[in-house]
Amino acid sequence: KNEVEQSPQNLTAQEGEFITINCSYSVGISALHWLQQHPGGGIVSLFMLSSGKKKHGRLIATINIQEKHSSLHITASHPRDSAVYICAVSSGAGSYQLTFGKGTKLSVIP
Amino acid sequence: DTEVTQTPKHLVMGMTNKKSLKCEQHMGHRAMYWYKQKAKKPPELMFVYSYEKLSINESVPSRFSPECPNSSLLNLHLHALQPEDSALYLCASSQTTGRAEAFFGQGTRLTVV
Repeated sequence: KNEVEQSPQNLTAQEGEFITINCSYSVGISALHWLQQHPGGGIVSLFMLSSGKKKHGRLIATINIQEKHSSLHITASHPRDSAVYICAVSSGAGSYQLTFGKGTKLSVIP
Repeated sequence: DTEVTQTPKHLVMGMTNKKSLKCEQHMGHRAMYWYKQKAKKPPELMFVYSYEKLSINESVPSRFSPECPNSSLLNLHLHALQPEDSALYLCASSQTTGRAEAFFGQGTRLTVV
């Protein structure tokens, strides 16, 4: 079974700061997902990666398959970015269930 | 349409009640999931349906009964729940491949009294 570790568990930043959240996993995967969850709310898929780098607005996600590591970056952070960010992986051909990390709670202070 | 719609958004039920949660998607996804999420914890997989057939049951108590009447709908029938079953119940859907992006609903906040 894949083990997914995220760091840090909690992160407080000033508005405008550059933020990095890290994720590592223990065995090979078919895809890695970055998810966002606001308090009391549903989950939004931000990125799905199997290699390289993706960018969407102020969000950038990278993955290093050899090192089994991914990072989520937020540039010019804003209070509305405050949420829990969850890394999840799907493993193996035809295996589409997700294994979740414990999440990183981000608070961006004005 | 890239939405997964869950109803109701909130539900309060007694331990002797019978209620149902509903999930709907129109993206043509053939895999649908129920997750349970307790406060400050990641989601825990409960059930997976693939092509309308139950493919995974993660040892969930029988007081939770899933149903997939067609490729767009997923229900979770609740009966004789316990207060510890209070949680956010999330539905998700995806294509049936390992690189499928998962789409989540907003969840049903369930309180058992």
